[in-house]
Amino acid sequence: SQQGEEDPQALSIQEGENATMNCSYKTSINNLQWYRQNSGRGLVHLILIRSNEREKHSGRLRVTLDTSKKSSSLLITASRAADTASYFCATEGTGANSKLTFGKGITLSVRP
Amino acid sequence: DAGVTQSPTHLIKTRGQQVTLRCSPKSGHDTVSWYQQALGQGPQFIFQYYEEEERQRGNFPDRFSGHQFPNYSSELNVNALLLGDSALYLCASSLQGSEKLFFGSGTQLSVL
Repeated sequence: SQQGEEDPQALSIQEGENATMNCSYKTSINNLQWYRQNSGRGLVHLILIRSNEREKHSGRLRVTLDTSKKSSSLLITASRAADTASYFCATEGTGANSKLTFGKGITLSVRP
Repeated sequence: DAGVTQSPTHLIKTRGQQVTLRCSPKSGHDTVSWYQQALGQGPQFIFQYYEEEERQRGNFPDRFSGHQFPNYSSELNVNALLLGDSALYLCASSLQGSEKLFFGSGTQLSVL
């Protein structure tokens, strides 16, 4: 079963606009990560936020984590056509359940 | 520095056959995880190998088995293939204790 659920399932924006993607999860986590996938190939790690952190930045990426609501959001600012891809949130569980569990993903289309 | 490499890139099999997929981790990495990604879905965790042993396993039947070699490379074996095994199989490597995964480009398996 998949732990994270992303919202929306698909997002279409104009180049230069900001893209916001949300992720909710169900159980306790050590960290939450966002990955990107182009055309059904390998995933690329974007950013990681630990359970004791609330916000992190990396370039044009900003991720927030609210453990009380079991939710995260990824903001991509000033989007580019090259940002067109599928984005997945993944949660690392605690204790014996420390594997990384992925959601179903969000398809982002950035129109030039 | 070579990243994670997987072979073959594409494979076509018929129901009931057996298949072996191969993965070489990123240089310096000692842990290999395997994921199955059906079309339009997120990656599903199959199992993880470290020190040549299966350390964690997802909800997959015993038809799915694996191996890790002393050089940290890994194989995924699937016996008695079913049509539903058609998917992109992703290998990810990491350094034990590190939270971030590095993915290969995957093997696209089609079962006819």
